[in-house]
Amino acid sequence: KAGVTQTPRYLIKTRGQQVTLSCSPISGHRSVSWYQQTPGQGLQFLFEYFSETQRNKGNFPGRFSGRQFSNSRSEMNVSTLELGDSALYLCASSSTGTEFEAQYFGPGTRLLVL
Amino acid sequence: KQEVTQIPAALSVPEGENLVLNCSFTDSAIYNLQWFRQDPGKGLTSLLLIQSSQREQTSGRLNASLDKSSGRSTLYIAASQPGDSATYLCADVNQGGKLIFGQGTELSVKP
Repeated sequence: KAGVTQTPRYLIKTRGQQVTLSCSPISGHRSVSWYQQTPGQGLQFLFEYFSETQRNKGNFPGRFSGRQFSNSRSEMNVSTLELGDSALYLCASSSTGTEFEAQYFGPGTRLLVL
Repeated sequence: KQEVTQIPAALSVPEGENLVLNCSFTDSAIYNLQWFRQDPGKGLTSLLLIQSSQREQTSGRLNASLDKSSGRSTLYIAASQPGDSATYLCADVNQGGKLIFGQGTELSVKP
C-alpha cells in the first residue's frame, strides 16, 4: 500500500506570494492533518480534515487555509507569505482521525520564503 | 496548556549500547502517546502507539512504556546500531487525533 505523498517536495517563494501544497493520504484513509515544523517552534498542528470538513484547527492566522476533496486528497494554502512561514510542512493521514489510531506522515514539503 | 518535554535534546552512544529516551507530558487525561522517528530533512516514521489503557508496546528492538500517573513515557532501544541515528519524537495524542509534540531527542550511534 502506498504511503502518504506530498507535492511538491521543495518550493521557493518570495514574500507576499501565495502557495498551495498538496497531500494524498494512504488509500482508504479519510482523515488528513497538517503540521508545520520549524527549528524554533518544533512541530505545530495546523488543521485536520475528515470527509471534506475541517474538524480541528490550530493557532495559526487566517492566511493558512486548507481543504479536502471527495477522494480525501487535501490541499493547504498560505497567502501573503512571510519570511517566518519558511518551514517543513508535513501532512499525516489516518483512517478516521481519532485518538485511537496511529497517524502516518508524508515526506513533507520544504518551503523557503525569500 | 498541554506540553510535552523530551530530555536530553541530544544523545551520543557507542554501537551496541542499550538506551532510554524520555518523554514527559502535562496532559493528565492523555488518550494515547505515539513515538516517531525523523531522519534529517525527512518526514516522520511512526514507531509505536501506546493507548492509555496499556502500559507498554514492543516492536523488534524497541519498547515503549507509558505511565499516566507520573506523566512519563520512555522509549527503550536495545543493542543500538548506527542506523538508529535519527531524531526521536514523542507526541501526546489528543481527542480527535491532534498531536502535541515534544522537541525531540537527536540520537547519534557511533560505530
